[in-house]
Amino acid sequence: EPEVTQTPSHQVTQMGQEVILRCVPISNHLYFYWYRQILGQKVEFLVSFYNNEISEKSEIFDDQFSVERPDGSNFTLKIRSTKLEDSAMYFCASSNLGEQYFGPGTRLTVT
Amino acid sequence: GIQVEQSPPDLILQEGANSTLRCNFSDSVNNLQWFHQNPWGQLINLFYIPSGTKQNGRLSATTVATERYSLLYISSSQTTDSGVYFCAAEYYNQGGKLIFGQGTELSVKP
Repeated sequence: EPEVTQTPSHQVTQMGQEVILRCVPISNHLYFYWYRQILGQKVEFLVSFYNNEISEKSEIFDDQFSVERPDGSNFTLKIRSTKLEDSAMYFCASSNLGEQYFGPGTRLTVT
Repeated sequence: GIQVEQSPPDLILQEGANSTLRCNFSDSVNNLQWFHQNPWGQLINLFYIPSGTKQNGRLSATTVATERYSLLYISSSQTTDSGVYFCAAEYYNQGGKLIFGQGTELSVKP
């Protein structure tokens, strides 16, 4: 069964460093999403992406965040200068509208 | 504003018991999904159920879209059912984003 994959599973970085989180969506899906979950809290929407552009973003998704689909398979989330409060689990999801399928997540720890 | 509310926030069950988790949403939805977050933090898709009823083994779900709620039923609970259950709704004209509830933390005791 096709699935969304994410790498790395866990990343530790120092405050101020740039990180890139990678996702491989399900191959025939056209809509891609990033969500995050701060420890102990609910999952929050960050951004949706379709046809090589952002279709919706939340207030969390400020100028330090960017997304890219650099080739036909990968979907990336870049955080330019990480802050302590960026520590969270980051989930990628994909869909063809309808049901969204989530990856296993990347746990980002900013020290 | 747009909200998704889940109840109860916490639930403790004895193994073998049945339970019902509720999700209320504040407007018409394109999409309603239920997830189980396992101890490793992974979100496991349980149901995609914008309306109607579905069953998968000991789990079933019902969404009554006109009354803006969804229910997740767990029968004959097992310790492996423990974890946090989230519902998430996609509202019309919101760019596909899912809005998650706060979750119900279920603990099943042996």
